[in-house]
Parts: sequence; structure tokens; C-alpha cells
Amino acid sequence: EIVLTQSPGTLSLSPGERATLSCRASQRVSSSYLAWYQQKPGQAPRVVIFASSIRATGIPDRFSGSGSGTDFTLTISRLEPEDFAVYYCLQYGSSLWTFGQGTKVEI
Amino acid sequence: EVQLLESGGGLVQPGGFLRLSCAGSGFTFSSHAMNWVRQAPGKGLEWVSGISAGGDDSYYGDSVKGRFTISRDNSKDTLFLQMNSLRAGDTAMYYCAKTRGLAVAGTPYYFDYWGRGTLVTVSS
Repeated sequence: EIVLTQSPGTLSLSPGERATLSCRASQRVSSSYLAWYQQKPGQAPRVVIFASSIRATGIPDRFSGSGSGTDFTLTISRLEPEDFAVYYCLQYGSSLWTFGQGTKVEI
Repeated sequence: EVQLLESGGGLVQPGGFLRLSCAGSGFTFSSHAMNWVRQAPGKGLEWVSGISAGGDDSYYGDSVKGRFTISRDNSKDTLFLQMNSLRAGDTAMYYCAKTRGLAVAGTPYYFDYWGRGTLVTVSS
């Protein structure tokens, strides 16, 4: 089973600052099978980035994804108030899915 | 508009059972693999189980293997999760999630839509 480790656990930033979130896999992950999700309190997660670097419909271009192999990154170039949330990475491999433990982006 | 509506959650005693349902609409349900994901209070997301579009293949996370069974009725656009031998550690919000794409090398594969969830509480 592939384990995803996200860092940092919490990111304390101000609106307008840049956020860089990391997701590291215990084994190689196909770039096509790595996605990022945003979750706000009391809401279901929503996809932000899929296939490592493709923005989902309706996601602003301040969000970007990169990486390959075992290291993936979600970057928010200039934080807006609505971006403060928990972010999870998700990967698929060997018929199983695994989530990272999440990174909380807080003000 | 794609919609996923979970139901069947509630309070159950340890050792008991529940059957969750997820009704899909706004898409061709029989063409997509489906999944259950749970989130314990204040914790992260955990993939629980997945099933292929036709229902022939199913997969489980280690924590529920042998206790939970996923199934689907494509004639009714509905996904199920039969949960037996429930434990306190199974207490969580349970979400169903639709898979987008195919597990074919080089093509995107991810969860594109989620329901709002149904809460399962296991307690005496």
C-alpha cells in the first residue's frame, strides 16, 4: 500500500501570501492518478487539481499543481480568504486509493 | 447536474450493522466506478471501499475488510455499503464519491463528485 505524507501539517499564512503544500509518496505514483482536494468545515471535499497539474472546473488559476514520481506540490500563489481550508492529496495504485493526512492552511 | 445523496446513517451499538445507500443522478451511473470515503470526527479522509462500474470488482481498505461489503444496483442508480460488526472506530461521516476516468495508464483517474455524507455513530 502506498502511503502519502503531507507537509507541513499546518500552514499559518496571511491573505496575499504564497502557500506551498507537499505530498510525498512511499512509492512511485503515476502522475495521472494524483489529485488534490480542498475541504472546508462542514462540507464535502472538492477537487482542486487532478492528474497532478490540471485545474478542475471552476478552480482559479492561483492554484497550481506540479510534481512526479514520489514528490508532488500544490501551490496557491496568492491566498484569498476563501482558500483557508484543509487540503488532501489522493492517489490510486494497485486497485486501492489512499489519502494523505491533510494540510491545514490557516490565517 | 451531478448529485449524490447518501442515506442510512444513524446510531448503532457496537457489534451491530447498518446499510448505507447513495443515490446518483445527473450522470450515467452504470458507466462509473464508485467509492465510499469516511471521515472520523476531527480527522482526515479515509478511503473505505470501491466498486467497478459494472459491479464485478470490489476493493476494500484494510480497516474494513471482511466486515463491510460494497455493492450497486445500476438499474436504480444506487450504491450500497453493508457494514457489519461495527466498532466505535467506525464512527464517521460516510461520503460516496464518483470516479472520473478509467484506470488506464496515462489517463486521469480521480474522484470528481462527492455527496454531502451520512453520519454513522457506533456507541452503546
